[in-house]
Amino acid sequence: DQQVKQNSPSLSVQEGRISILNCDYTNSMFDYFLWYKKYPAEGPTFLISISSIKDKNEDGRFTVFLNKSAKHLSLHIVPSQPGDSAVYFCAASAPGKAAGNKLTFGGGTRVLVKP
Amino acid sequence: GAVVSQHPSRVICKSGTSVKIECRSLDFQATTMFWYRQFPKQSLMLMATSNEGSKATYEQGVEKDKFLINHASLTLSTLTVTSAHPEDSSFYICSARGRGRKSTDTQYFGPGTRLTVL
Repeated sequence: DQQVKQNSPSLSVQEGRISILNCDYTNSMFDYFLWYKKYPAEGPTFLISISSIKDKNEDGRFTVFLNKSAKHLSLHIVPSQPGDSAVYFCAASAPGKAAGNKLTFGGGTRVLVKP
Repeated sequence: GAVVSQHPSRVICKSGTSVKIECRSLDFQATTMFWYRQFPKQSLMLMATSNEGSKATYEQGVEKDKFLINHASLTLSTLTVTSAHPEDSSFYICSARGRGRKSTDTQYFGPGTRLTVL
């Protein structure tokens, strides 16, 4: 049972345009969401996060939007740059000791930014 | 952001040998460290959660006697793959989380270790 899903395995976008990555979740207990970027043979790099008390968080070229009623979040990258080409993972965590501060990851979306 | 290192970055070993992977938080104290493995073109799979000074908590299906985890200090956790076999070949990644108790504390990842068992 995948609690975090990224339905688009890949995305191709022209340099300078907007990249929109989507993520859906099923567990209503999740209260914190993160986006990570990963290059091959490297560990994920933290990009941006959002708490469930907010619906938007912005950091430079990266903006994350959260729609709790739809259990959906998205990452916008604008303008997209060739160096943004990587795999992006959405992750979520739930509060409380039982949840153990664990992150649940989506399957990832491979982004290719064409020059 | 916080820095997490892993050593070695790559290891090749013979079947039946044991391999130790170290994960260190370089500029913060990590009360909790997590160990993941990633198969090609797949997502990260959590193997276990390691809390400093206590036994690790393993995810369902992960053999604790095969994947020994030690979190001896606030900056170091080790994963030992015992009696490694070719099916253990994978990319192993650790992450570390600071002292906070909120679920909103970010996990920072190490660069990963590529294990190849011949």
